[in-house]
Amino acid sequence: SQQGEEDPQALSIQEGENATMNCSYKTSINNLQWYRQNSGRGLVHLILIRSNEREKHSGRLRVTLDTSKKSSSLLITASRAADTASYFCATPGGSNYKLTFGKGTLLTVNP
Amino acid sequence: GAVVSQHPSWVICKSGTSVKIECRSLDFQATTMFWYRQFPKQSLMLMATSNEGSKATYEQGVEKDKFLINHASLTLSTLTVTSAHPEDSSFYICSAPETGMYEQYFGPGTRLTVT
Repeated sequence: SQQGEEDPQALSIQEGENATMNCSYKTSINNLQWYRQNSGRGLVHLILIRSNEREKHSGRLRVTLDTSKKSSSLLITASRAADTASYFCATPGGSNYKLTFGKGTLLTVNP
Repeated sequence: GAVVSQHPSWVICKSGTSVKIECRSLDFQATTMFWYRQFPKQSLMLMATSNEGSKATYEQGVEKDKFLINHASLTLSTLTVTSAHPEDSSFYICSAPETGMYEQYFGPGTRLTVT
């Protein structure tokens, strides 16, 4: 079963707007990761946040982690058409290196 | 960043034949690689963990005799879909972490169509 559950499942915004995606998970984790997947391609690692971190930034990305609520959010600021993709959260399952992915959020940024 | 390649990027085969997909880490050594399959507009489903020099570990429900995995070197893992059927048609993706790192690097995926 999926460890992470993203919402919304789909999000459509205009260029320049911010996009926020949320992820919930079920078990204790030592890190949570976000990945992007362009249509028909492999995944690209965006950012990793450790369990002892509450917020992390990388360029236009801002990730938060609330371990008490077992949830994380990914904020993309000043979105661009090139940000159109599916975004997945992933958490370690089993061994430290095996990942379980959420269902993903399909983000569409309209020019 | 680290690069993982997959070959082929797409393949069409007939029912009953076998297909081999290669996953290579180009600029780092990967003692562990992961194989996923993905159906349209769905998430990734982990199929198996490929371990260099030892047997692969399969997830529950994945037929190990149908999806043969070989990890013969620190840079190459192969997935062979044996006696393929139309229901095996899917997008197969491999990934690998650098040793000691949590982040995974993904190949571009292989689109398999079984006719």
